Amino acid sequence: DAEITQSPRHKITETGRQVTLACHQTWNHNNMFWYRQDLGHGLRLIHYSYGVQDTNKGEVSDGYSVSRSNTEDLPLTLESAASSQTSVYFCASSDGGTDTQYFGPGTRLTVL
Amino acid sequence: QKEVEQDPGPLSVPEGAIVSLNCTYSNSAFQYFMWYRQYSRKGPELLMYTYSSGNKEDGRFTAQVDKSSKYISLFIRDSQPSDSATYLCAMSGVQGAQKLVFGQGTRLTINP
Repeated sequence: DAEITQSPRHKITETGRQVTLACHQTWNHNNMFWYRQDLGHGLRLIHYSYGVQDTNKGEVSDGYSVSRSNTEDLPLTLESAASSQTSVYFCASSDGGTDTQYFGPGTRLTVL
Repeated sequence: QKEVEQDPGPLSVPEGAIVSLNCTYSNSAFQYFMWYRQYSRKGPELLMYTYSSGNKEDGRFTAQVDKSSKYISLFIRDSQPSDSATYLCAMSGVQGAQKLVFGQGTRLTINP
């Protein structure tokens, strides 16, 4: 069955370190998204991609970057982790025909 | 002011009750409306998808959209303990544009 996976599921890091969160989907979807979920804010869009080599900034992109070298993967990099980036991160993908997005299980990131 | 407002709850009701969950929005361009269900420590999963105004029913769930009032609702009939989850509304303006705006989510508990 097609799926979307995220790794690691839990991560603890220190302020200033670079961190990369992986997202892999086997749906063969062109569109992929990264969100963060925080209490009181719901899901907020960080970055998104409509296809290979395409990346776009979302609502809360400062301090984050993505690259899309193939259809299946959209890794999210925190260039210099800050405590404000402690959150749960969700990756999602969609086929572009509708707005239905399929979400991964999430990565819980703690920045100390 | 947020584009999409959703009462975060928490909401606690007895098993068998009818549950009403609501979102209001400010952007009149929104035409596609979704409800996602999110169990604890899981990713959101699509529950209902509707276009423009009107009702859509799927088993015990009914989604209602009133574009004139910029108000959407999700009704759950004969609620079950397995319905206990966080429910997020989401919406977008252009099909395929893929940029969803989410409400904060309402945490619902169904008590046996």
